[in-house]
Amino acid sequence: GESVGLHLPTLSVQEGDNSIINCAYSNSASDYFIWYKQESGKGPQFIIDIRSNMDKRQGQRVTVLLNKTVKHLSLQIAATQPGDSAVYFCAEKDRGSTLGRLYFGRGTQLTVWP
Amino acid sequence: DADVTQTPRNRITKTGKRIMLECSQTKGHDRMYWYRQDPGLGLRLIYYSFDVKDINKGEISDGYSVSRQAQAKFSLSLESAIPNQTALYFCATSDPSGRLYNEQFFGPGTRLTVL
Repeated sequence: GESVGLHLPTLSVQEGDNSIINCAYSNSASDYFIWYKQESGKGPQFIIDIRSNMDKRQGQRVTVLLNKTVKHLSLQIAATQPGDSAVYFCAEKDRGSTLGRLYFGRGTQLTVWP
Repeated sequence: DADVTQTPRNRITKTGKRIMLECSQTKGHDRMYWYRQDPGLGLRLIYYSFDVKDINKGEISDGYSVSRQAQAKFSLSLESAIPNQTALYFCATSDPSGRLYNEQFFGPGTRLTVL
């Protein structure tokens, strides 16, 4: 089965609110995680990444939190905007993989209401 | 100009037909990937190539074949298409020497329908 998955397939938020998208993983050997955003009709685009030796990483309006104890990853979007509406995927890489293969979760559809 | 391009963007075909999806990149990356996306299943890896002489099967390679014609080109073929290969197909590239050496850059996708 999949080693990377999402708790909720859909999330609806009001414009201006903060969004939190969750991801659970089962491979304790994963050492690198990425969040991708996929807008309708487009390919996935990189948002932010985090290595397993970190707990938190911040970007512009986005923060990724990693809890290795419970194998949980989250993406926080501050002041969510209509343009944030998309499907969000988490992906992981196994520490033992020198080949750079990523394993993707099923995705969460984020809808932002005005 | 797009760094990773895919052709065609949409294709409707019939069961049993041979189909080729093409991917080209101008990023100069050695690594290229083909993924399939189905609703609710996320992205699943079909094949990947780490250089022109290297081809590897992914999770769901049955019914597919690939060709790495050059560093910049990676084609995916369905030898005899079947309806359950109806999906959205993405090509991706990555650069192992870059800072984000695990980041993959995706093309816009090809929507394939097999009737």
